[in-house]
Amino acid sequence: QITLKESGPTLVKPTQTLTLTCTFSGFSLSTSGVGVGWIRQPPGKALEWLALIYWDDDKHYSPSLKSRLTITKDTSKNQVVLTMTNMDPVDTATYYCAHKDPAVDFDYWGQGALVTVSS
Amino acid sequence: QTVVTQEPSLTVSPGGTVTLTCASSTGAVTSGYYPNWFQQKPGQAPRALIHNTNNKHSWTPARFSGSLLGGKAALTLSRVQPEDEAEYYCLLYYGGAQLLFGGGTKLTVL
Repeated sequence: QITLKESGPTLVKPTQTLTLTCTFSGFSLSTSGVGVGWIRQPPGKALEWLALIYWDDDKHYSPSLKSRLTITKDTSKNQVVLTMTNMDPVDTATYYCAHKDPAVDFDYWGQGALVTVSS
Repeated sequence: QTVVTQEPSLTVSPGGTVTLTCASSTGAVTSGYYPNWFQQKPGQAPRALIHNTNNKHSWTPARFSGSLLGGKAALTLSRVQPEDEAEYYCLLYYGGAQLLFGGGTKLTVL
């Protein structure tokens, strides 16, 4: 059974760096074709894809946020970490991580973590 | 800047059929965009429904189907149930390295 859970601060100040961790079970990020993605959703708004990392450490970022994002993986800990620099109130959102299967694409999602940016 | 467009809202009667669409500002959506569809209910994480245009996940009810229709990706709900009331999002791949979600369609069952 695949599960994912996001963790990190619930409140960050403007200009600070956000670090979120996705801890997963039920799959290995060393398996060929497997990936983990990050998606966010501001309150009352649409989903926005942020970043994606694959089993072979191939990384992809949203062009509009690329300069602020870094995605890394720790296969031994079953974790994927997303950092976002220079946080702004408009970055207030629920942040989700999701499992990407080579055959069925994004299938399992975490419950999400609400991050508020405020001074 | 590329934009993925969905109907902001649709209403359907219980037992009816409704089609939601997903358009790309770059032109016709093809299978090469690997369209995905997700359902999201208030306070919940998105749930995957369709991948790669028309493939259901193991948990996807048979009344949901994906297709390409008139240059767009489409999600058709047949025999709509009250529990299908939700927000629906499409996801498209651009060159395999960029992913874009649509703005979502709020489906009301009334």
